Amino acid sequence: EIVLTQSPATLPSSPGETVTLSCRASESVATFIAWYQQHPGQAPRLLIYDASVRATDVPQRFSATGSDTDFTLTITRLEPEDFAFYYCQQRSNWPPQLTFGGGTKVEI
Amino acid sequence: QVQLQESGPGLVKPSETLSLTCAVSGGSIGRGGYYWSWIRQRPGKGLEWVGYIFDTGNTYFNPSLKNRASISFDTSESRFSLNLESVTAADTAVYFCARQRALIIGFDFWGQGALVTVSS
Repeated sequence: EIVLTQSPATLPSSPGETVTLSCRASESVATFIAWYQQHPGQAPRLLIYDASVRATDVPQRFSATGSDTDFTLTITRLEPEDFAFYYCQQRSNWPPQLTFGGGTKVEI
Repeated sequence: QVQLQESGPGLVKPSETLSLTCAVSGGSIGRGGYYWSWIRQRPGKGLEWVGYIFDTGNTYFNPSLKNRASISFDTSESRFSLNLESVTAADTAVYFCARQRALIIGFDFWGQGALVTVSS
């Protein structure tokens, strides 16, 4: 099973700051990575798919890069609604198995 | 706009079977090119993938569930279902259904989630 390790677990920040979240895979996942945002009590929201492509209606302040085992999500100029949990996710080709990282909480 | 809605009992007894249904509206579940999944989140924890059903009807599951899970389509009713057998308290979670476009890594539509508690 491919393990995704997210760091840091908690990221204290302030509105207007820029933050970078990390997701590291235990083996190569090419660019088979997605990023999600989740507010408490809500379903996750897809932010990024295929490692770097913004999903529909996702603001440009969210960007992501990476390939192989190292991936980053950058949020530029944090807005109040950006304080939430963020998860990365991978899917292996065959057999199709999917895992999530443990998450990063971006908090004020 | 595609919408997904989970439904099912909120309380299941230990050793029994958890059954949930995801109703899909705004798009045909029988239309090829999509994968449908169940994902759960234990209280205060992160996301855990439960399993997939592909548009072909093939299913794939998290090995940690030890063959307790099954997923099926009901295309006439535009819904898909999860059965999880022999549940324990460790299966207590919010269960989400979600859709992924084939060849795209990422679930673009999610249900709001259904809390299932396993308790006697």
